[in-house]
Amino acid sequence: DAGVIQSPRHEVTEMGQEVTLRCKPISGHNSLFWYRQTMMRGLELLIYFNNNVPIDDSGMPEDRFSAKMPNASFSTLKIQPSEPRDSAVYFCASSTRGGVGRSSYEQYFGPGTRLTVT
Amino acid sequence: GESVGLHLPTLSVQEGDNSIINCAYSNSASDYFIWYKQESGKGPQFIIDIRSNMDKRQGQRVTVLLNKTVKHLSLQIAATQPGDSAVYFCAENIVPGRRALTFGSGTRLQVQP
Repeated sequence: DAGVIQSPRHEVTEMGQEVTLRCKPISGHNSLFWYRQTMMRGLELLIYFNNNVPIDDSGMPEDRFSAKMPNASFSTLKIQPSEPRDSAVYFCASSTRGGVGRSSYEQYFGPGTRLTVT
Repeated sequence: GESVGLHLPTLSVQEGDNSIINCAYSNSASDYFIWYKQESGKGPQFIIDIRSNMDKRQGQRVTVLLNKTVKHLSLQIAATQPGDSAVYFCAENIVPGRRALTFGSGTRLQVQP
């Protein structure tokens, strides 16, 4: 199992530019989560999808942030225009419906994308 | 994935000792709690979970205790090893039945050889 795949692993961009982060969840998982981690605010949930449908986007900071999940194996988080305060590590996680010995709440995290906006 | 750094509470233990990491959660309606471990440069990794209808659950070298009266959660690690050095987060599902988790601020565990 390849685990959750995120790309790019590192992104450096200038203020005002568009940034797109990508995520491939674990095959068969039906929920996908986007988190942001910073020193000041810790790990924050931005948005999550269930069966490709956004369920809760209350954590999305503002209209500059948008997320899509066009199919079960791919999601994007876009920031446009980017600002220096968006600098953080962005994680994608996925979870399954659950089953014998497996909780549906257990989330599997990707390695993260470190975003730096100058 | 870098974890929250400078202002994290830190627990320092000797290799072989037992570690206890504590967490206070916020919502008395939360019905599911989970502990994650995050090593430097990596994403959080599941350790153990517990539902609100339980007060104790054991895994391999780890035990989670839940005290709903005072909204307190603890993670006990037996015979702590250098590989246990990481930041540990507790998380709860603020909305019962929803999969979304809210994470605590984390505790850094340092294991001295």
